Amino acid sequence: SQTIHQWPATLVQPVGSPLSLECTVEGTSNPNLYWYRQAAGRGLQLLFYSVGIGQISSEVPQNLSASRPQDRQFILSSKKLLLSDSGFYLCAWGPGNTIYFGEGSWLTVV
Amino acid sequence: GDSVTQMEGPVTLSEEAFLTINCTYTATGYPSLFWYVQYPGEGLQLLLKATKADDKGSNKGFEATYRKETTSFHLEKGSVQVSDSAVYFCALSPGGTSYGKLTFGQGTILTVHP
Repeated sequence: SQTIHQWPATLVQPVGSPLSLECTVEGTSNPNLYWYRQAAGRGLQLLFYSVGIGQISSEVPQNLSASRPQDRQFILSSKKLLLSDSGFYLCAWGPGNTIYFGEGSWLTVV
Repeated sequence: GDSVTQMEGPVTLSEEAFLTINCTYTATGYPSLFWYVQYPGEGLQLLLKATKADDKGSNKGFEATYRKETTSFHLEKGSVQVSDSAVYFCALSPGGTSYGKLTFGQGTILTVHP
């Protein structure tokens, strides 16, 4: 069966520091991969998606970037965090238009 | 653009009560519809889905029917349990897409008391 893992689970970072969130999927090949963000008290917003290695599509202009260095690895990064980057970040994968989420990473920028 | 509107919460029920969480959508074409559940401190879990009009998705006692005429996908459960306390999200994926570019509602907080 397929599993998805992301880490770290929680982190507190100062404004202006870099960020790296990692996500890996097991049990499948060439999955579609996604990063969503859930800001406090709000719904989920798609940030990035990838249909293959090195192929990244950005949905919203922002302070973040994504990379897919391997087939089942998806990384969310920032060079300099802003207070507004705080939130719950969710990696997801899916065949077709049905997606399955990881456990999420809580980011607090202070 | 596409949008999903959920009934505002929070919803508070007693155990064994009937649950309805309303969800309506706006989309072009024929979207797929989903309900996700998020337990405290966790990621989202797919609860059920429907891919075409009149389909009924069901899982763990929850049901939702894809109603194209009313553009709705209401979530129902006949008898809720304390363990059902969570946040429920309705979502849609545009018709004809091959990837999960989902539009989510704002979520509805459900609390079930013993």
